[in-house]
Amino acid sequence: SQTIHQWPATLVQPVGSPLSLECTVEGTSNPNLYWYRQAAGRGLQLLFYSVGIGQISSEVPQNLSASRPQDRQFILSSKKLLLSDSGFYLCAWSVWTNEKLFFGSGTQLSVL
Amino acid sequence: AQSVTQLGSHVSVSEGALVLLRCNYSSSVPPYLFWYVQYPNQGLQLLLKYTSAATLVKGINGFEAEFKKSETSFHLTKPSAHMSDAAEYFCAVSDLGTDKLIFGTGTRLQVFP
Repeated sequence: SQTIHQWPATLVQPVGSPLSLECTVEGTSNPNLYWYRQAAGRGLQLLFYSVGIGQISSEVPQNLSASRPQDRQFILSSKKLLLSDSGFYLCAWSVWTNEKLFFGSGTQLSVL
Repeated sequence: AQSVTQLGSHVSVSEGALVLLRCNYSSSVPPYLFWYVQYPNQGLQLLLKYTSAATLVKGINGFEAEFKKSETSFHLTKPSAHMSDAAEYFCAVSDLGTDKLIFGTGTRLQVFP
């Protein structure tokens, strides 16, 4: 069966420090991969999505970047965190376009 | 561009009462529509999905939603609320041929005994 792993579960980082959140999927090949951020009162905002290795689409101009070095690995990064980067980050995958998303358990990021 | 609007960021009902969570969509073509539920400190789970088949869609945990093109709505309902239904609910839309879901801002459902 397919599973998705996202870590860490919680992270507290100072302003200006780097960030690396990792997401891996098991049990499927060539999934679509997504990073979402959930901020209070703003729902889920799509940050990045990828339909294949090295293929990244950015939805919102921001301080973050994403990479897909392997088929089932999706990494969210920042060189210097801002206070506004705080939020709940969710990784997700789907098999086909318009199919349902399977979500990871999320990372609560607090930038202080 | 497609979008969804969820009316009411908070909804409170008594246990056993009807649950109605509202969602209106904007899409230039017939959309795919989804409802997801998020329990505290967890990721999201799919409740149900509309893909242009039957307009009344039944999901898990007794929830259902009706697609009404004339009203551009996809409201989520449950006849009788349980305490375990307390969670945040997200409506989402995608257009045929796109690779992404656009989510609404969410509605937090509280259920009182």
